Amino acid sequence: DTGVSQDPRHKITKRGQNVTFRCDPISEHNRLYWYRQTLGQGPEFLTYFQNEAQLEKSRLLSDRFSAERPKGSFSTLEIQRTEQGDSAMYLCASSPSGASQETQYFGPGTRLLVL
Amino acid sequence: AQSVAQPEDQVNVAEGNPLTVKCTYSVSGNPYLFWYVQYPNRGLQFLLKYITGDNLVKGSYGFEAEFNKSQTSFHLKKPSALVSDSALYFCAVRVGYNNNDMRFGAGTRLTVKP
Repeated sequence: DTGVSQDPRHKITKRGQNVTFRCDPISEHNRLYWYRQTLGQGPEFLTYFQNEAQLEKSRLLSDRFSAERPKGSFSTLEIQRTEQGDSAMYLCASSPSGASQETQYFGPGTRLLVL
Repeated sequence: AQSVAQPEDQVNVAEGNPLTVKCTYSVSGNPYLFWYVQYPNRGLQFLLKYITGDNLVKGSYGFEAEFNKSQTSFHLKKPSALVSDSALYFCAVRVGYNNNDMRFGAGTRLTVKP
């Protein structure tokens, strides 16, 4: 399967714990995006990388959230001191450079439940 | 603010009938518009997009969408619905030149009954 992959698919944690999610984009894509989706809503943009550079962060991304893409390939999203309001589906997407860059291809998501 | 709206939370159609899922947009400048579908426990799958050119855009699985600038709409259509089309559909608009921010609607749940 050459699509976007995410790990884990599900995560249950207690409030106050730290969690880390991983995203592997489509191999030739240099742009990578993180979104958050809560029940009954569409995805909301969190942050964006071009290669290893994090070029934009949404105001939704509080100080407890940090994302990295150290080698310009896979990315990690860490949430520190989780809160119940962090419970959501975290989606990763990637897109190629060039004329087709407008299309973002999404992974299956990581569903987080904070107890 | 740059946004899209999906006025219907739910659309029900009978198998074999035409379906329409509505989307309206509000952006400054020329919009880049997208439709995605989400099946249970799966990520969003790209269906089609409008960037420029012909107002009628054809996409995956027999879906098409018509860009209407005067009505600021981008409704998703299919001539003959299948039960397997039942899913959550999202309209989205690209904001910003470098596609670094995509705004999604709240989604419309399509149910196709046999």
